[in-house]
Amino acid sequence: DIQMTQSPSSVSASLGDRVMISCRASQTIDNSVNWYQQKPGKAPKLLIYGATNLQSGVPSGFFGSGSGTDFALTITNLQPEDFATYYCQQTYSISQTFGQGTKVEI
Amino acid sequence: VHLVQSGAEMKKPGASVKVSCKSSGYTFSDYYVHWVRQAPGQGLEWLGRIDPKSGGTNYAQKFQGRVTMTRDTPTTTTYMELSRLGSDDAAVYYCAKSGSHDSSDYWGQGTLVTVSS
Repeated sequence: DIQMTQSPSSVSASLGDRVMISCRASQTIDNSVNWYQQKPGKAPKLLIYGATNLQSGVPSGFFGSGSGTDFALTITNLQPEDFATYYCQQTYSISQTFGQGTKVEI
Repeated sequence: VHLVQSGAEMKKPGASVKVSCKSSGYTFSDYYVHWVRQAPGQGLEWLGRIDPKSGGTNYAQKFQGRVTMTRDTPTTTTYMELSRLGSDDAAVYYCAKSGSHDSSDYWGQGTLVTVSS
């Protein structure tokens, strides 16, 4: 299976901050990375697909970048509703895998 | 688009569980349905997917031989059955509709499966 190594595992930030979360694949996966946000007790929510494409309805403060093996999710101007756990996911392989998650805390 | 899952289940070790996921608001046969689970306090784990049009499935190697995904086209419902349950199968199980780049763009509300003797 393709491994997705996500970092950091947690980050402390303040309202208005810019946060970057990284994800590294164990092999090249083109642009087959998606990013999700999950809040406690809720299902994950798709933010970014195909590494850089903003899902419909998602605020423009979320930005995806990267290709090959290194990817990033950047959140600009942190808002109260952005404090959550974020996961990357590779869909290059039929057998999809997720990163371990990054908790964004106040 | 809505995916509505069946209710919480409590099972004994060694038993099987079958979770349903009813889709609405889109053309059921046009999009894969994925199944993902999340153990308490842990991350997301993909179990597999089903093509509602053909019934074809792809399973994560870890669950091969223990998971079965099926669909009922008239009722736009997919099912995920996991057999030989162990304590480490206790988790919230989610179904999700496939979107662009095989992402999961709409999710069910989750089904809690508890495994206890």
